[in-house]
Amino acid sequence: SQTIHQWPATLVQPVGSPLSLECTVEGTSNPNLYWYRQAAGRGLQLLFYSVGIGQISSEVPQNLSASRPQDRQFILSSKKLLLSDSGFYLCAWSWGRNSNQPQHFGDGTRLSIL
Amino acid sequence: AQSVTQLDSHVSVSEGTPVLLRCNYSSSYSPSLFWYVQHPNKGLQLLLKYTSAATLVKGINGFEAEFKKSETSFHLTKPSAHMSDAAEYFCVVSLSGGGADGLTFGKGTHLIIQP
Repeated sequence: SQTIHQWPATLVQPVGSPLSLECTVEGTSNPNLYWYRQAAGRGLQLLFYSVGIGQISSEVPQNLSASRPQDRQFILSSKKLLLSDSGFYLCAWSWGRNSNQPQHFGDGTRLSIL
Repeated sequence: AQSVTQLDSHVSVSEGTPVLLRCNYSSSYSPSLFWYVQHPNKGLQLLLKYTSAATLVKGINGFEAEFKKSETSFHLTKPSAHMSDAAEYFCVVSLSGGGADGLTFGKGTHLIIQP
């Protein structure tokens, strides 16, 4: 069966510090991978998605970036965090290139910026 | 273009009574539709999905949803609420044949279960 892991579960960072959140998927190959942000009391905002190694599509211009160095690894980064980067970050995967497939989510990272 | 509207931001029911969470969608093409549940500080868990097969879809934990094309609705129901059902629920529509970014999420419905 497939599993998805995100870490860390919680993170407290000062403004201006760098960020690296990691997500890995097990039990499948060549998945689509996604990063979402969920602000308090709001829905999900798609930040990045990837259909293959080194292929990243950005949905929202911001100071965040994503990378996919390996088939089942997806990393969310920032060089300098802003207060507005606080939120709940979710990684997800799905099969295939068609959005008819459901996405499967990790348990998320709660990021607080001080 | 596609959109999804969850008609209630909060729904409160008593334990043991039926649950109805409403979702309307707009899509130019045949959509796929999903319901997800999110417990506090957790990721989203897939409850059920509709992908143009049977219009009544059964999911996990006793939930089901009915796809009604004429009403452009995909409401989520459960005959008898349990305390563990208290969570946030998201209705999601996808554009058939769309790319990896083709999902649209509703803003969520917070389900409260009264003892």
